[in-house]
Amino acid sequence: NAGVMQNPRHLVRRRGQEARLRCSPMKGHSHVYWYRQLPEEGLKFMVYLQKENIIDESGMPKERFSAEFPKEGPSILRIQQVVRGDSAAYFCASSPLPRTNNEQFFGPGTRLTVL
Amino acid sequence: AQSVTQLGSHVSVSEGALVLLRCNYSSSVPPYLFWYVQYPNQGLQLLLKYTTGATLVKGINGFEAEFKKSETSFHLTKPSAHMSDAAEYFCAVRTESGGSNYKLTFGKGTLLTVNP
Repeated sequence: NAGVMQNPRHLVRRRGQEARLRCSPMKGHSHVYWYRQLPEEGLKFMVYLQKENIIDESGMPKERFSAEFPKEGPSILRIQQVVRGDSAAYFCASSPLPRTNNEQFFGPGTRLTVL
Repeated sequence: AQSVTQLGSHVSVSEGALVLLRCNYSSSVPPYLFWYVQYPNQGLQLLLKYTTGATLVKGINGFEAEFKKSETSFHLTKPSAHMSDAAEYFCAVRTESGGSNYKLTFGKGTLLTVNP
């Protein structure tokens, strides 16, 4: 059973370009969470999605960031007009159900570098 | 609101020595507590978790942690460090109730170095 998959693993963008980060949850998992890890910081919650629904985006910056989890295909975190401060590791996690005693399984992350 | 404080951003031990990584939390409701390990350029792997019941929790790779409510702590220990334990360790908390009970709140991490 494959784990959570993220691609690309490394992404380099110039300021003003768009970044698209993909996350395929574990088989049977319909809940996806995105976290961001800034340099020398812990992971911070960004957004929680179920299939075709955004449940909680309270951790997402108000502008330039969006996320989706379509009926078919991976979850996408999209960052428009990237700036240097967006450079970070972006981790996706999935769980079968959102109840607190369900573990969130993390992917390997996408490391975004903005030049 | 909940928060996690990890004392010591960098801990260095000798191979075979005791490992102690400190974690204190703040939560207005009973917490669920987690320790994750992150190896270089990899994702987070769950080491152990406390939900309810026994306060001493055993995890993978010989690690254990004890939930002490009176001290609001959840320190991670291992009796004898191995070179393969070198990694970054994150403590995290999640509340067991409320509308946002799926959010993990992480500490800033502790980088463990093991010297031969």
